[in-house]
Amino acid sequence: QKEVEQNSGPLSVPEGAIASLNCTYSDRGSQSFFWYRQYSGKSPELIMFIYSNGDKEDGRFTAQLNKASQYVSLLIRDSQPSDSATYLCAVKGWTGTASKLTFGTGTRLQVTL
Amino acid sequence: DAGVIQSPRHEVTEMGQEVTLRCKPISGHNSLFWYRQTMMRGLELLIYFNNNVPIDDSGMPEDRFSAKMPNASFSTLKIQPSEPRDSAVYFCASSANRGASYNEQFFGPGTRLTVL
Repeated sequence: QKEVEQNSGPLSVPEGAIASLNCTYSDRGSQSFFWYRQYSGKSPELIMFIYSNGDKEDGRFTAQLNKASQYVSLLIRDSQPSDSATYLCAVKGWTGTASKLTFGTGTRLQVTL
Repeated sequence: DAGVIQSPRHEVTEMGQEVTLRCKPISGHNSLFWYRQTMMRGLELLIYFNNNVPIDDSGMPEDRFSAKMPNASFSTLKIQPSEPRDSAVYFCASSANRGASYNEQFFGPGTRLTVL
């Protein structure tokens, strides 16, 4: 079992719809959870992080965390073609000195016109 | 402010040759990470440094790979000898480790390595 699992996609949603991206993780000691967006040929960039159970909203993005189920998701409301990218889920375990992240393989999102 | 700087951006080499990738982290950041990204395996952490000291190199594939951080503003990842299966995009990232619950990692533009 991989430490962080994501459906590779592609996930195709029409413009204006809600895109729902999901991620599960295996380490129950994981502390923080991150969503990175990566455009084709570019480097990953952080868009959301969450460390408490529940929802966290930032503009059109909502991150949801359920530690009991070891599940984290990202909702993108009013999806735009510019949201088309690969979304990487990353998990921070317990380390004493630095933020080591374990990444999933990513879900490719396509927003269609 | 300049972000994470990596060089070269592209490298094409022949099997058996030595390859050196370079990274300059964001000024003031004290954690540096080397990642490798492939279609099959995704983004994998190879090694990370905290205050120039290697903390975890468990992701380094084998002895052909080595990494150094001689000072706070420079790191290298070396592959010797290189093999075709090393072909990937190599990212360097840095963060300001302040003991918070998270420290955002900022990624460089990556080096696309092709080993023929």
